[in-house]
Amino acid sequence: GIQVEQSPPDLILQEGANSTLRCNFSDSVNNLQWFHQNPWGQLINLFYIPSGTKQNGRLSATTVATERYSLLYISSSQTTDSGVYFCAVTFDNYGQNFVFGPGTRLSVLP
Amino acid sequence: AAGVIQSPRHLIKEKRETATLKCYPIPRHDTVYWYQQGPGQDPQFLISFYEKMQSDKGSIPDRFSAQQFSDYHSELNMSSLELGDSALYFCASSPLGAGVQEQYFGPGTRLTVT
Repeated sequence: GIQVEQSPPDLILQEGANSTLRCNFSDSVNNLQWFHQNPWGQLINLFYIPSGTKQNGRLSATTVATERYSLLYISSSQTTDSGVYFCAVTFDNYGQNFVFGPGTRLSVLP
Repeated sequence: AAGVIQSPRHLIKEKRETATLKCYPIPRHDTVYWYQQGPGQDPQFLISFYEKMQSDKGSIPDRFSAQQFSDYHSELNMSSLELGDSALYFCASSPLGAGVQEQYFGPGTRLTVT
């Protein structure tokens, strides 16, 4: 069946370190977004990236749709980057609703 | 820029009561999605509407119903509330009719059932 996997499930970093989060999906997709859920529960949209590469400040993302994965890069991490990062996709032929991955919980220590 | 508005932001109900959650999409967005996120879980799709018609249905309990009104706002009605309904409820909108699939999420409604 359709599924979204994320790795690693948990990540602990020192402030200033870099990290790479991965999202694998089981079928072809027509939408992929990365979200950061902050400690207050809000889902912050980081990237709309069904394919290609985008950058926004210290964050960048790459989706290789033909190989069914996406990567989120966080450079020079800050304590405010802590939280859960979700990858969400809409699969071709499965409607327009998101299927979320289980998330990566990131803790950035001062 | 205008964002998705959800009300109320917090709601406390007792078991067997009813609750109504409201969602106001971004202006000119024709599609609304509802998601439920239980504690420690990822969001799960409940139901969506496109141009005021139900378009997709996910794991929405029969006790829940929803609709989209002529002004495109949407309401999620929840009856016979159970402790397990305690969750964050997100609404998202997109201008799907314009071919844009990016979904914009509201701040969520935190429902606590006691």
